[in-house]
Amino acid sequence: KAGVTQTPRYLIKTRGQQVTLSCSPISGHRSVSWYQQTPGQGLQFLFEYFSETQRNKGNFPGRFSGRQFSNSRSEMNVSTLELGDSALYLCASSSSTGELFFGEGSRLTVL
Amino acid sequence: GENVEQHPSTLSVQEGDSAVIKCTYSDSASNYFPWYKQELGKGPQLIIDIRSNVGEKKDQRIAVTLNKTAKHFSLHITETQPEDSAVYFCAASEGSASKIIFGSGTRLSIRP
Repeated sequence: KAGVTQTPRYLIKTRGQQVTLSCSPISGHRSVSWYQQTPGQGLQFLFEYFSETQRNKGNFPGRFSGRQFSNSRSEMNVSTLELGDSALYLCASSSSTGELFFGEGSRLTVL
Repeated sequence: GENVEQHPSTLSVQEGDSAVIKCTYSDSASNYFPWYKQELGKGPQLIIDIRSNVGEKKDQRIAVTLNKTAKHFSLHITETQPEDSAVYFCAASEGSASKIIFGSGTRLSIRP
């Protein structure tokens, strides 16, 4: 069974630009969550989508947004990038019993 | 809300020895406690988990114990090997993926 797939794996942007990251969950998983990982703040929850609806949202500014499609694939978007947005963005899909499985992440560098 | 504290932040053990990482949580409603291993350049990998109706769970060289009364749980790795070197995260949840709270991580190094 294929795992969680995230694209792109690495990307470099400049301040003020916007970025879109993609995530394909494990087949059959309907919940997709996004996390930001930085050395100083650890793993921070961004939002969760279930059946195309945002079910929960973390404490991030409105520049961070996401969506989920009918095939459970999800995208997250960050607009007006800031230097502090440089991080590893992790997507995770969860089973019906709440187990969370992560992808390899998208490493964003903002210059 | 839930708060998870993890100790130590770094741990170095001799190959073949055991390693123990401890976590405490604050919300008594939490009932699911997973552990993740993150190797350099990779995403966190679920290695073992335990639910509140169980006190201990083992999977080969790794085991997790849970003390609900004291609100703490621990990861035990026996007969450590070089490939055990990684960052380990504990987490606690009421059962919903979006409400999983992670500890700050433990960087485990195995000395040859």
